[in-house]
This record gives sequence, C-alpha cells and structure tokens, in this order.
Amino acid sequence: DVKVTQSSRYLVKRTGEKVFLECVQDMDHENMFWYRQDPGLGLRLIYFSYDVKMKEKGDIPEGYSVSREKKERFSLILESASTNQTSMYLCASSLTRGRTEAFFGQGTRLTVV
Amino acid sequence: TQLLEQSPQFLSIQEGENLTVYCNSSSVFSSLQWYRQEPGEGPVLLVTVVTGGEVKKLKRLTFQFGDARKDSSLHITAAQPGDTGLYLCAGTLPNDYKLSFGAGTTVTVRA
Repeated sequence: DVKVTQSSRYLVKRTGEKVFLECVQDMDHENMFWYRQDPGLGLRLIYFSYDVKMKEKGDIPEGYSVSREKKERFSLILESASTNQTSMYLCASSLTRGRTEAFFGQGTRLTVV
Repeated sequence: TQLLEQSPQFLSIQEGENLTVYCNSSSVFSSLQWYRQEPGEGPVLLVTVVTGGEVKKLKRLTFQFGDARKDSSLHITAAQPGDTGLYLCAGTLPNDYKLSFGAGTTVTVRA
C-alpha cells in the first residue's frame, strides 16, 4: 500500500513564526500536492510538484512556499504564520501525470495563535 | 467559485435507507473520482470513473459518470452507520494532472 506520512498530526504556532510541514511518500510517485481543508470549502490546492525541484502554484499559494529536494519528500513552508492560516493541511501524492488517483496523508491540524 | 458543486452539503438518514450524493459542473472532465474522509484522517479513494455513462459498483455503493462527463452521482443502498463520513468528488480536466475537489457532502447514518 502507498503510504503518505505527514510529520505532525497537530501543531500550534504563534503569529509570525516560520512553519515547516513535512510530507514523505514511499511509493516513488512523481506528483505531490499540498491542500488545505476548511469547512464548507473542500480541499483547495496550495502548491504541487511533478518532479524533483519542480513546483507550481495552485489556487491559493499566497503566504506559502514549498520545497522538493528529493522525490519522496515535499515540504510546505509558511513564511510568516498568520491566524487565517489556521486549517487542516493535507499532503497527497499520485503516480504520474496520467494517473491522478491521489493518496493522502493523515493531515496536520495547524492552529496559529 | 468551485469547479465542482456537490449537493446536498449535509445528509442525515436512518440505517437501512438509501441516499444519493450529486456532483455537478459546467466543465468536461477526463476523469472523476470519489473519496471518503473520516474525522481526523485524510481522504481515501473509493473509485475512479473515466468514460461517459460509466457505472461502477462497490458493494452497496453505485457510482455513475454522466454521459457528457460533466457530472457524477454516488448512490448508497441500505446505508449503515459505517458509511458515515465526508464524501468528496474530485475531477481532472483534460490535459491536466491535478485534481479539483468539490466542497463535500457530510453523510450521517443513524443506527
């Protein structure tokens, strides 16, 4: 089975802090994604990557950046955390460009105070 | 504005009843997927449909892709409390490889 692991289930950070969310997948998937999930809004794409060192903006990239130095690892960075970034963050991976079935991590519930 | 509109937003039914969740769009999708998410966990893929008019069955769950590939439905027969969860539809536009998600339908099945 594909396993996507996010480094933390719960995080509490202060406004202005730099926050790192880590995600690792173990099935050699090419594509990796970061979403945030808020009630009534579904999953919104923040950033995605289709190869090592490649990244593309999703629908809501403002206030975030990403890093993909190795194929299996995709990091989401909140440059200066704000209270409106309090949310559930979900990492996902999919096999290739032609296979979009996504495998998700368990999520990180981030609270910015 | 979301690319995929799901309805209803909430659904609460008694065990043994049937239910249908709808996923609609004005866009044509090359494929559409359904996921189920339980509280505190990530979504888990249930099914992928790729052909217009396609019907797939997964035990008591029936998934249909519209003929024009713009909409889909999920029907659960004789719902059980274990079917409780957030159901999400997600689609891939032609020549794209990322998913666009609907807002989800929260289903509660009462024992």
